[in-house]
Amino acid sequence: NAGVMQNPRHLVRRRGQEARLRCSPMKGHSHVYWYRQLPEEGLKFMVYLQKENIIDESGMPKERFSAEFPKEGPSILRIQQVVRGDSAAYFCASSPTGPYGYTFGSGTRLTVV
Amino acid sequence: LAKTTQPISMDSYEGQEVNITCSHNNIATNDYITWYQQFPSQGPRFIIQGYKTKVTNEVASLFIPADRKSSTLSLPRVSLSDTAVYYCLVGDFNSGYALNFGKGTSLLVTP
Repeated sequence: NAGVMQNPRHLVRRRGQEARLRCSPMKGHSHVYWYRQLPEEGLKFMVYLQKENIIDESGMPKERFSAEFPKEGPSILRIQQVVRGDSAAYFCASSPTGPYGYTFGSGTRLTVV
Repeated sequence: LAKTTQPISMDSYEGQEVNITCSHNNIATNDYITWYQQFPSQGPRFIIQGYKTKVTNEVASLFIPADRKSSTLSLPRVSLSDTAVYYCLVGDFNSGYALNFGKGTSLLVTP
């Protein structure tokens, strides 16, 4: 049973380009959470999704960021027109909503140059 | 969501027992207490979870007093590889709602 799979592990984008980060949850997990971690900072919640639904996006910046979790395929976090301040590690976690919490992926490290 | 407070950093020598305390004064009845460990360049990893009293697994012990307003993660005989950031989370995992991570406690183990 593979864990949470995130790709790419490293992503370099120039300012103004788009970044697409992918997350495949663990088998049997239908809840996906995206977090962002800036250097020397803790993890900040961004968005919580279930299949085809956004449940809580209270942590998402109002502009340029979007997320989806389609019926088929991985969850996608999309950042349009990236800026240097978007450089961070983006982690995805999945949960079955049981009592055991999240399982995290290894993250995608986005560098905007 | 219950707010948690834990020390920013701790230092320890190899072989010692390390206790990291987390305060969560407004914990709710349905909330569980969960600890995660994060190594550099990796995602957080689940360590232990509890509701009350004491929980022990092969990695750590979790002590929760009767009022549940705090909890202590105990790492027995730490090694250099236990150097990591440790996060205390409090929430109702059955709700499915997102949990917030603070800055955690950065533990440095030295020889």
